[in-house]
Amino acid sequence: DGGITQSPKYLFRKEGQNVTLSCEQNLNHDAMYWYRQDPGQGLRLIYYSQIVNDFQKGDIAEGYSVSREKKESFPLTVTSAQKNPTAFYLCASSIGWTGGDEQYFGPGTRLTVT
Amino acid sequence: SQQGEEDPQALSIQEGENATMNCSYKTSINNLQWYRQNSGRGLVHLILIRSNEREKHSGRLRVTLDTSKKSSSLLITASRAADTASYFCATDGAGSYQLTFGKGTKLSVIP
Repeated sequence: DGGITQSPKYLFRKEGQNVTLSCEQNLNHDAMYWYRQDPGQGLRLIYYSQIVNDFQKGDIAEGYSVSREKKESFPLTVTSAQKNPTAFYLCASSIGWTGGDEQYFGPGTRLTVT
Repeated sequence: SQQGEEDPQALSIQEGENATMNCSYKTSINNLQWYRQNSGRGLVHLILIRSNEREKHSGRLRVTLDTSKKSSSLLITASRAADTASYFCATDGAGSYQLTFGKGTKLSVIP
């Protein structure tokens, strides 16, 4: 099956701990993205990567970090510096990196920090 | 900042009726996309319309784009209970290739 997988589906952490969310795709897409979604809100871009070993900050990158060492993987670390980390996190990929490319989304990871 | 804004925020209709959702945006765009999100799930791409296009169809979906009014509409005809979801528009442009999503319209189709 081709697609994007995110794990785990639910994640619980204590305040002050870093946590890494996994995102893997087997679509051979160049571009990958991380979004954050809060209740009743749209998606906000955290980081994106157009190619392996390169990534750019999105609108709300503070308190987050990423890496793109392999084409198929784009993990997101939520650090203790993120003031309000509880949210639904969505990973996506696209074949290219322009707004004319359809984005394919994973099922999401719901992170709760207490 | 968010580029697209959907209207209405919520819409409730009977099965078989048509559903219309609108999206307005502030700056010029190259492309506008519509996505669907079932509760607690990832988004699914529905349709893309380019700035030089005025209308596109895909099955029961019809999308229009009016660049002079900076607005788009998504029409779902003969709605089904399975169409119950949130619908988002996403735009690029304004000097960025990245997509900017609106807050969505929550559609409820009552059987």
